Amino acid sequence: DIQMTQSPSSLSASVGDRVTITCRASQGISNYLAWYQQKPGKVPKVLIYAASTLQSGVPSRFSGSGSGTDFSLTISSLQPEDVATYYCQKYNSVPLTFGGGTKVEIK
Amino acid sequence: EVHLLESGGGLVQPGESLRLSCAASGFIFSSYAMSWVRQAPGKGLEWVSGISGSGGTTYYADSVKGRFTISRDTSKNTVYLQMNSLRAEDTAVYYCAKARSTVVTSALNYWGQGTLVTVSS
Repeated sequence: DIQMTQSPSSLSASVGDRVTITCRASQGISNYLAWYQQKPGKVPKVLIYAASTLQSGVPSRFSGSGSGTDFSLTISSLQPEDVATYYCQKYNSVPLTFGGGTKVEIK
Repeated sequence: EVHLLESGGGLVQPGESLRLSCAASGFIFSSYAMSWVRQAPGKGLEWVSGISGSGGTTYYADSVKGRFTISRDTSKNTVYLQMNSLRAEDTAVYYCAKARSTVVTSALNYWGQGTLVTVSS
């Protein structure tokens, strides 16, 4: 099975900072990658699918890029409401594996 | 508006069974695949099982294969997860999620609130 590795596992940044989270697949998955945000005590929510397509209603400060094995999620200007754990997920084939998550906090 | 409501969670002993239900509304149920995703306390997300929009194709994570069965009833707009031979490591919040297309290999664009399953003696 394809493994998904996220880095870093946690980060602390200031409001307004540019934040980048990376996700690496153990084999190529084309652009079959989604990013999810899970705020503390809340349900996961999709931010991006097809590696770079923003889900309707998601703020434009979120963006995704990559293809093949290397992907990234960028928050262009970190806001207090972005405190959450972020997960990547590959969906080119089953199992639909998630990365281990990146916890984002405000410094 | 899409709405997914899980039910059926609870406390069971190791080896026992439980059936989770997920009632869906706000979309054409038969046009979209559905998945179950779980999250153990304080841990990350784990995809468990998926079923195609037609119900003709089902998939399972290796960790539950042979013990869990996913199904759907279009007349009730409901997806089920029958869980047998439960183990302590199955303890988690179980989320029902809607796929973006009729195939399981799609991003999950709507999630239910989750139902807690606790397996303990």
